[in-house]
Amino acid sequence: GESVGLHLPTLSVQEGDNSIINCAYSNSASDYFIWYKQESGKGPQFIIDIRSNMDKRQGQRVTVLLNKTVKHLSLQIAATQPGDSAVYFCAESGTASKLTFGTGTRLQVTL
Amino acid sequence: DAGITQSPRHKVTETGTPVTLRCHQTENHRYMYWYRQDPGHGLRLIHYSYGVKDTDKGEVSDGYSVSRSKTEDFLLTLESATSSQTSVYFCAIRDREMGGYTFGSGTRLTVV
Repeated sequence: GESVGLHLPTLSVQEGDNSIINCAYSNSASDYFIWYKQESGKGPQFIIDIRSNMDKRQGQRVTVLLNKTVKHLSLQIAATQPGDSAVYFCAESGTASKLTFGTGTRLQVTL
Repeated sequence: DAGITQSPRHKVTETGTPVTLRCHQTENHRYMYWYRQDPGHGLRLIHYSYGVKDTDKGEVSDGYSVSRSKTEDFLLTLESATSSQTSVYFCAIRDREMGGYTFGSGTRLTVV
């Protein structure tokens, strides 16, 4: 079936550096993508989303890039902070109702 | 978590017993979802609802049933719990204004 996956299971970055988390998706019909952050013991929290008619969207310290040609999504976190340590999931939706999640990338921020 | 409450937060049950998890929302959203989260699998959709009494299956629906008799409540039932259903269960709503999906805090279910 259609799936969403991540290239790196664990990413370790130094505090203050920029982080880049990547995601590949396989459903070419997907038109909506979301990045979530999940801290231990909590539910996923919405970070940023992007629709397929865009290739870049910026939020506060975060940027999502979408490359539909190679079906690739990335999340960039600027000036990574210890509070950014968490598991990050990408998710995609090809319909109005369902999300498919990747397996997640753990971001570890070192001091 | 933004108007979503899951109960119970933790439960231990025996194999073969029925279990019902509850998701309650206060924001009148039409779409509600149940996901399970397991190591190595991320979040997988069990069932979802697009209105009162309107539900559909997700990718891992076997062994689960759902009911939505009113907008604010979405119930997930394990008719006869098995050890493979030990997991963390998350409820979510679709918030059109936010654009994304808001998740509850989860229910950790252990089947022994």
